[in-house]
Amino acid sequence: ELKVEQNPLFLSMQEGKNYTIYCNYSTTSDRLYWYRQDPGKSLESLFVLLSNGAVKQEGRLMASLDTKARLSTLHITAAVHDLSATYFCAVDMSSNQFYFGTGTSLTVIP
Amino acid sequence: EAGVAQSPRYKIIEKRQSVAFWCNPISGHATLYWYQQILGQGPKLLIQFQNNGVVDDSQLPKDRFSAERLKGVDSTLKIQPAKLEDSAVYLCASSSTDGPNTEAFFGQGTRLTVV
Repeated sequence: ELKVEQNPLFLSMQEGKNYTIYCNYSTTSDRLYWYRQDPGKSLESLFVLLSNGAVKQEGRLMASLDTKARLSTLHITAAVHDLSATYFCAVDMSSNQFYFGTGTSLTVIP
Repeated sequence: EAGVAQSPRYKIIEKRQSVAFWCNPISGHATLYWYQQILGQGPKLLIQFQNNGVVDDSQLPKDRFSAERLKGVDSTLKIQPAKLEDSAVYLCASSSTDGPNTEAFFGQGTRLTVV
């Protein structure tokens, strides 16, 4: 059974600080996605990582994928309040089947 | 480009009643998914369609849940009878099978409360 684990589950960080969210998965896959979810809202696609060593950056967020370690990271640089949300990673097992992690609830405080 | 449309947005029913949700995917997307998201958890895949065929329904509680995708476009998810533990947000998503970027795009969801 595929397991997708994120840590931390909850993260409270001050504005301007850096932090990394980790996503570990238990089986072979070379496709991983990051999504953002605001309270009461749906999921918004952030990054699509399609191969080992893939790195994508958008604004203050950078995602990377290490398929050999079965690990993806989402790095936050100089956090701002607008980044407060829940972040999910999702692993594509096969046939476009997406299995989601437990989520990381991020709160950025002034 | 229009996104994934779902209705209703909210539904409150009593246990043992039935309920149905509707989803219209992004035009041209062959793959359609229904996910269940319980408060505080990640979305859980219930069923995946490719056109109008089922790819995976291994996590669908088939004694009470059913889904169909007629003509390979719109889809409905039904629960009958509902239980208290079915209270969740039901998310519909769609993805294209063309090209390397096959990310799933999500609708706004239907928030179901079973009382």
